[in-house]
Amino acid sequence: KAGVTQTPRYLIKTRGQQVTLSCSPISGHRSVSWYQQTPGQGLQFLFEYFSETQRNKGNFPGRFSGRQFSNSRSEMNVSTLELGDSALYLCASSLEAPLRGRAFFGQGTRLTVV
Amino acid sequence: SQQGEEDPQALSIQEGENATMNCSYKTSINNLQWYRQNSGRGLVHLILIRSNEREKHSGRLRVTLDTSKKSSSLLITASRAADTASYFCATVIGGATNKLIFGTGTLLAVQP
Repeated sequence: KAGVTQTPRYLIKTRGQQVTLSCSPISGHRSVSWYQQTPGQGLQFLFEYFSETQRNKGNFPGRFSGRQFSNSRSEMNVSTLELGDSALYLCASSLEAPLRGRAFFGQGTRLTVV
Repeated sequence: SQQGEEDPQALSIQEGENATMNCSYKTSINNLQWYRQNSGRGLVHLILIRSNEREKHSGRLRVTLDTSKKSSSLLITASRAADTASYFCATVIGGATNKLIFGTGTLLAVQP
């Protein structure tokens, strides 16, 4: 069974640009969550989607958005990039809702904003 | 803000020694999970302990949970150089959400 796949693995963008990151969950998993990891703030929850609906959102500005498609694949978008958006963005998929079991993480997308 | 804090922030030991990491959290939980992260990569699930459990084992890992103190510990016995990584506790609060709230992490270095 394929794991969680995130693309691209690395991205370099310029301030003010926008970026879209993609996550393909494990087959059969309907929940996809996104996390931002930075040295200063650690691992922060961004949002979670289940069956194409955003069920929970973390404390991030409206520049951060996401969506989930009918095949459970998810994308997150960051508009008007700032230097502080440089981070490792991690996607996790899980089978159960609510989370009574483990979450499976992708390898992440390393975003650098210059 | 983060739910959990881990202690120590960094730990350096020799191969063969045991490593203990502690995690404290703030609110009642559904379950607590431990994850490992190798440098700048994805998180790997290690073990999950439910709020009604007190201790759990998996191979060289032993996790304890004290809900009265809102704390958990992860013990890695007979450590190996390959155990070098960051370790995070994560709590699931409950409700209809799959949100994991991570602690600050412990960076473990195992010297060969």
